Parts: sequence; C-alpha cells; structure tokens
Amino acid sequence: GQQVMQIPQYQHVQEGEDFTTYCNSSTTLSNIQWYKQRPGGHPVFLIQLVKSGEVKKQKRLTFQFGEAKKNSSLHITATQTTDVGTYFCADSSYKLIFGSGTRLLVRP
Amino acid sequence: DVKVTQSSRYLVKRTGEKVFLECVQDMDHENMFWYRQDPGLGLRLIYFSYDVKMKEKGDIPEGYSVSREKKERFSLILESASTNQTSMYLCASSFSRDTQYFGPGTRLTVL
Repeated sequence: GQQVMQIPQYQHVQEGEDFTTYCNSSTTLSNIQWYKQRPGGHPVFLIQLVKSGEVKKQKRLTFQFGEAKKNSSLHITATQTTDVGTYFCADSSYKLIFGSGTRLLVRP
Repeated sequence: DVKVTQSSRYLVKRTGEKVFLECVQDMDHENMFWYRQDPGLGLRLIYFSYDVKMKEKGDIPEGYSVSREKKERFSLILESASTNQTSMYLCASSFSRDTQYFGPGTRLTVL
C-alpha cells in the first residue's frame, strides 16, 4: 500500500536557525495537508496544497508541493520556541494517510 | 469553531476488559475517524466512517470495532483489551476531503 515517509524523524535547532521537513510518497499524492501537534496536544491543520509545484506561505512557514506530486516540504525561517512540536504531512485522498512526523525542538 | 470531544483524557483498564471510547463532533461532519498514535509511528488509522451506520477499516483494524448510530457520535470499541493496545487514541472529523479536526485524545493504558 501507499507509504508516506517523512525525514528527518527528529531535529534540534538553535532559535533563529531555519528548519525543513520533507515528505515523500511511494505513489502520486492527491493533495497534501500539513498538521502541527504541540507537545501534549492534538494535531492542528496548517495548510493544504493541491496543485503540482504549488508554493504557499504563512508568515515564516513555506510549504511546497513537488512538480511530480510525490513530495512536499515545510520550511520554517528563523525558528522560534513557539515552533516546537511535531509536524505531520498527510495525503488527503479518500482518507488521510499520515507521514510519521518530524519532531522539532528549539533551543532558546 | 469546530469542537471534537472525547469521553476521557486518561483511561486505565485491565487486560481482557471491554473498552469504549466515545467521540462527539458538533459540526455536522460526514466523516469521522479513529487513529492511534505511538512514538515513532505517527498516526495510524484504525477505522473511519463516512456516514451514519457506515464504516470502513483503516490500516490497523484488528482488535477494534466501531459504531456510528448518530452522525455526531463515533465510538471505538476494544472487545478484549490487550497490553499492546496501550496508546494515545485520537478521534477526528471532517467534511468531505477537507481539513480534519482532532479531539484532545484519550491516553489508554492497559495493565
């Protein structure tokens, strides 16, 4: 079956450094959704990308959908301690298929 | 705001017990989902439902069943709890293929 993989599994950065998580699929993605889960919390929707090559920005967050719709990335510029959490991508086809997530820790 | 509530935040049960986890959403969403979340494994779909009395198996349905008698309520049932079902259980709802809204989660421990 389809697999959605995320790398890295874990990243620890100094506040102010950039951060990127990558999402790769074994098959073509329908649409890609990104979620953030704060420690002790539940996943919260960030954004959905639909078109091949699409790029969307939310303040310091930049989301990109690959040209072949088999990968996506989330880039955070100048991380802050409030960015701490686990970031999940998900293929939103008939049902959501989640990647395993990237856990981000930020050193103040 | 969409609200998804789950019956318990923490639950401790014994091996062999029957366990009910309840989820209620207030936005008239068609779709409801049950996931379990374990460290390093992300979110794995157990069952989902796209309409009242309809259900479909997710990726890991073994040892679980579900019930959706009313649109707003989706129950997850562990017929005979086992220690490997100790996990965080998350319920979610959505309209069509749109955003999923998650409940706060139930941390279940099976002794």
